Formats: sequence, C-alpha cells, structure tokens
Amino acid sequence: GENVEQHPSTLSVQEGDSAVIKCTYSDSASNYFPWYKQELGKGPQLIIDIRSNVGEKKDQRIAVTLNKTAKHFSLHITETQPEDSAVYFCAANKEDSSYKLIFGSGTRLLVRP
Amino acid sequence: EPEVTQTPSHQVTQMGQEVILRCVPISNHLYFYWYRQILGQKVEFLVSFYNNEISEKSEIFDDQFSVERPDGSNFTLKIRSTKLEDSAMYFCASGRSGLVSTQYFGPGTRLTVL
Repeated sequence: GENVEQHPSTLSVQEGDSAVIKCTYSDSASNYFPWYKQELGKGPQLIIDIRSNVGEKKDQRIAVTLNKTAKHFSLHITETQPEDSAVYFCAANKEDSSYKLIFGSGTRLLVRP
Repeated sequence: EPEVTQTPSHQVTQMGQEVILRCVPISNHLYFYWYRQILGQKVEFLVSFYNNEISEKSEIFDDQFSVERPDGSNFTLKIRSTKLEDSAMYFCASGRSGLVSTQYFGPGTRLTVL
C-alpha cells in the first residue's frame, strides 16, 4: 500500500539557519501533500500544502517543493526561530479518490537560540 | 479561530472495557475523521464519516470500532472491548468539504488500556 518516508527523524539548527525536511511517497497517484506542525500537547496543525499541479509553494518563511518524477517533496524553513521548534509531519493523499492522509514518521526540529 | 476540540484529554481504562472518545468538529464542517498514533509510530487513518455514514475506513477499523454523530455538534469513536494494543493517541479531524479539503486536527485523546 501507500507509504511515506520522512527524513531526518531529528534536526537541530542554530537560530537563523535554514531547515529542510524531506519526504518520499510510493503511490504515483498521490496528488495532495500537506505539512503539519505539532507542538507539545496539541494536535497537528496544517502549515502549508501543495498539489501536484505545481512544483513549489511559498508562504513567508516556509516553502514546499514537489518533484513528481522522483516522488519526493520537501519542507524548507528559512530564518528559523525558537518557536519553530516542534514535530513536523508530511503526508500524502490521493485527493480525487480517498479521504485518507498517509503520514510520514515525523521530524523533531530543535532551533537553538 | 475555530478549532476541533476533544474530550477527555486522557482516558485510562481496563482491558475489555468500552470507551467513547468525543470530538466537537469545527461548526460548518461536514466531513469527520479519526486517526490514531501509537507511541513511537506514525499517525494512522482509521475512518472518515459524512452524512451519517462511513465513507472510508482502514483495515484497523474492525468490528470493535464504531463512529457516531449523535447530535449536531459531537462526533464520537467507540471502542467496544479495549485491548492493550489500543493504547494510543486518538486524533479527531474535520473538513469543510470532501475529497478536496484540508483536514483540521484536534489536540487528541491519549487512551491508556491497562
């Protein structure tokens, strides 16, 4: 079945540096790729998403890129701040045929002040 | 900003007991979901629900699980006879529309089965 792999599992960066988290998916029919941020004691919160008809999407310090041929997508956070510290999950979905989000295993990001 | 809420935040139960986990989705949303996350594992889809019917379920969602929208605001997940392996964080989510829709997650209920 569909699988999403996410790397790295932990990432530590200095405040102000960039952070990149990568995911690969197995089902070429997947066409919707959201990223969620989970802070301690809270549920996953959507931070950005991308659909397969575009290759890149940006929202202030956050960007996501998608390579459909290679079946991978990445989250880029620039000018990281301590409040970016959280667990980040990627997910994939076949938007026209399924409600199910298939999640990656998560990346714990620590931004050191 | 409207949020999905879940109660209780933590539920402890004995093996074999029934539990009901409760969720209040965002008010104008029509699609509802349950996911779970066993400690150290991925978030896994359980079920989606629309118009008082299950629209999709995973192989995890067997006969011991059921979902219900008992009134206009609540959405519940019932586990009939809990097992040790049901211990997990259970997340409720809701979406405004169906297949092409962002899913908004609640804070989760941590279920511990002893």
